[in-house]
Amino acid sequence: IAGITQAPTSQILAAGRRMTLRCTQDMRHNAMYWYRQDLGLGLRLIHYSNTAGTTGKGEVPDGYSVSRANTDDFPLTLASAVPSQTSVYFCASSESQGVPYYGYTFGSGTRLTVV
Amino acid sequence: DQQVKQNSPSLSVQEGRISILNCDYTNSMFDYFLWYKKYPAEGPTFLISISSIKDKNEDGRFTVFLNKSAKHLSLHIVPSQPGDSAVYFCAVMDSNYQLIWGAGTKLIIKP
Repeated sequence: IAGITQAPTSQILAAGRRMTLRCTQDMRHNAMYWYRQDLGLGLRLIHYSNTAGTTGKGEVPDGYSVSRANTDDFPLTLASAVPSQTSVYFCASSESQGVPYYGYTFGSGTRLTVV
Repeated sequence: DQQVKQNSPSLSVQEGRISILNCDYTNSMFDYFLWYKKYPAEGPTFLISISSIKDKNEDGRFTVFLNKSAKHLSLHIVPSQPGDSAVYFCAVMDSNYQLIWGAGTKLIIKP
């Protein structure tokens, strides 16, 4: 592993089903983030974690939950998927909150379609 | 209302010429600005950044200009190369240390 690994790469999910998107990093970054990317809207922050054991809500947190049991893993769960959650989801990390000098490192994304 | 706007969804430039991508923001309190590049089926990758105490930052073929009075940010790529074809996002850091993103501009470099 080098950087951030997201799984699955893509998924078609029936509405109402539960789904967990996985994210693992090997850079020992303290901060991690989940974004969704929708056409014409750029990236919007769903949830973030500044350090293991803490999480916070971003711009669009409704319908999503996260946990940060350790430094490396930051899973995103959709408890009951709805079609409006169809999107491309990106996980990202940074050395710490508020240190943007080298930017964030992103995973390759998970393309989720809720039908 | 979007706090960060990239008003050009796409831009086509001849190889070897200069590419100029623009970004406008609404909040004069923003003090850190970044550009990311994204290829299809990949995550965004960090390109270049600038803090509000500067008005220009260069890194090889890439230069970012910041006009604080106009609340305007631009990225210049010169000379443009085929590998520069990608979607470019500008992002600003807010007071909570979170990034706010523009919608992106798709740059197409023509041979």
